[in-house]
Amino acid sequence: DTAVSQTPKYLVTQMGNDKSIKCEQNLGHDTMYWYKQDSKKFLKIMFSYNNKELIINETVPNRFSPKSPDKAHLNLHINSLELGDSAVYFCASSHGRNRGKNTEAFFGQGTRLTVV
Amino acid sequence: GESVGLHLPTLSVQEGDNSIINCAYSNSASDYFIWYKQESGKGPQFIIDIRSNMDKRQGQRVTVLLNKTVKHLSLQIAATQPGDSAVYFCAENIRNSGGSNYKLTFGKGTLLTVNP
Repeated sequence: DTAVSQTPKYLVTQMGNDKSIKCEQNLGHDTMYWYKQDSKKFLKIMFSYNNKELIINETVPNRFSPKSPDKAHLNLHINSLELGDSAVYFCASSHGRNRGKNTEAFFGQGTRLTVV
Repeated sequence: GESVGLHLPTLSVQEGDNSIINCAYSNSASDYFIWYKQESGKGPQFIIDIRSNMDKRQGQRVTVLLNKTVKHLSLQIAATQPGDSAVYFCAENIRNSGGSNYKLTFGKGTLLTVNP
């Protein structure tokens, strides 16, 4: 009964390759996110989608392209991978603003991306 | 820059003691705050939240205090157990510039170590 699931859990790839990370949530949430966590554990938002519409793009390089085929899925495609892309990427979802109030985000287990 | 930060990057306590993790934020417009716990190899897990119209909220063994005057947030864990060892993050919901969208912004995190 995984609420937010992302695949793969580990991803090792060479520089210059293109890779995708998939995310699915079964919580019925309208809003989904991608976060990047660096080696110092700092969590930074990358993108946010609400009902398949991009609402937040935090000046992420164009090599990163999120895609939301429906509100339960938010995939992340990365082109021309660079060494600096190595990090743990977390998918999350929430109700967003529910009855005018913010609600908490639920996170997946993360995808550890290593670019060599 | 980021508006949420933590005073203590690491905290070591004895089992059974109470723990206090602090967090400072700078966005006075933030109206919703969350504490997350992240265990090794896992995604952030919701612990407790608080809205800006409150100054205290209690959960099971945890209490969050909000001081809007000095923009300070704290998490108190009573009778700390080895299973509480993790990285703890405070997060605030900040309205995206010019819109009605909100993004969850995380602080730097505090590593809590509980010694048996």
